[in-house]
Amino acid sequence: ETTLTQSPAFMSATPGDKVNISCKASQDIDDDMNWYQQKPGEAAIFIIQEATTLVPGIPPRFSGSGYGTDFTLTINNIESEDAAYYFCLQHDNFPPTFGQGTKVEIK
Amino acid sequence: QITLKESGPTLVKPTQTLTLTCTFSGFSLSTSGVGVGWIRQPPGKALEWLALIYWDDDKRYSPSLKSRLTITKDTSKNQVVLTMTNMDPVDTATYYCARLLLDSPDYWGQGTLVTVSS
Repeated sequence: ETTLTQSPAFMSATPGDKVNISCKASQDIDDDMNWYQQKPGEAAIFIIQEATTLVPGIPPRFSGSGYGTDFTLTINNIESEDAAYYFCLQHDNFPPTFGQGTKVEIK
Repeated sequence: QITLKESGPTLVKPTQTLTLTCTFSGFSLSTSGVGVGWIRQPPGKALEWLALIYWDDDKRYSPSLKSRLTITKDTSKNQVVLTMTNMDPVDTATYYCARLLLDSPDYWGQGTLVTVSS
């Protein structure tokens, strides 16, 4: 089973900031990494697939990078509506596993 | 528009069996490459994958929970059912279902909170 170590657990940002969230895998997972955004009481939204591909309909201020074991979700020019819980998921091997999540607060 | 919605009891007693239903729309579970999975998140903890079922009725279970889980589908009703036996307070969590396309979860339900308490 692949362990994903996500950091930070919490971050506070100001509108316009650039935010980076890291997810490190315990073994090589190629590019089988997804990123999701979730707000309280709502369904999670798929934002990045296969490590770097922006899901259609997601604003281009979101981007993903990485391959193998180290991955990053970047939010450029963060907006107040981006306040949410973000988590990574690997689907290279079963069972899919998750990072511990990052709560992003906007000041 | 693809939607998924979880339903089931909000409170179960220890040792009871939990039955959750995922009712979906906007896609068919008879389409090649499609699956539906169940995931849970205990309060303050990380998400955990439980089980998934594919269009061809292939089923996969979390190794740590395999003995307690059963997943089934009813394609005509657009539903996937998860049963978990011998519930314990540590199983208190929000339970989610999600659609998978070629092993990648894309659409999620809002989740349902299940509390295990006597």
